Amino acid sequence: GAGVSQTPSNKVTEKGKYVELRCDPISGHTALYWYRQSLGQGPEFLIYFQGTGAADDSGLPNDRFFAVRPEGSVSTLKIQRTERGDSAVYLCASSYRTSGRDEQFFGPGTRLTVL
Amino acid sequence: GIQVEQSPPDLILQEGANSTLRCNFSDSVNNLQWFHQNPWGQLINLFYIPSGTKQNGRLSATTVATERYSLLYISSSQTTDSGVYFCAVASGGGADGLTFGKGTHLIIQP
Repeated sequence: GAGVSQTPSNKVTEKGKYVELRCDPISGHTALYWYRQSLGQGPEFLIYFQGTGAADDSGLPNDRFFAVRPEGSVSTLKIQRTERGDSAVYLCASSYRTSGRDEQFFGPGTRLTVL
Repeated sequence: GIQVEQSPPDLILQEGANSTLRCNFSDSVNNLQWFHQNPWGQLINLFYIPSGTKQNGRLSATTVATERYSLLYISSSQTTDSGVYFCAVASGGGADGLTFGKGTHLIIQP
């Protein structure tokens, strides 16, 4: 079946602009995660949704970052007043999250460049 | 939060060689996954292995949860095995996002 998809694959923006990044999880997966990967580093957790609600947003770096999942499927990560330090690959993952198992599957990522 | 250390950071091998990658973690976990990140950046699931031993073709993994480490074995390496291998864990109890190690950068030379 189809995997996690993310759009756009690349986004170039100017400092101070607003951006939205979209994630379509695997059909039927209830949990959705956002991560950020800087060059040469492992991905870092940002936020986790179970259904429509954000169950854990402890990884969001500041209040310029916000994410929604209004219908419990597609999610959008929103970044206001972008800064050059926000440049990274933003990864989305989803999982079925059955009892005792939470194997996460990742999308191809959105490469964000802030000029 | 939980700490994850991977070793070695870099590994260069000839095609056909075997290798062992290690992942140490600082707390008990309810999720441990190994990934291969290919040159295009895609994270490919290798194993979901919070405990025990699994094998998939030339790859196998073992997690000793009581001693807080996991090992990934790659046998008869091929050039397509090149890339970065990540270990990622979650400790549960509401902290369900994965914490990744820094990865092992593997280069297989023909």
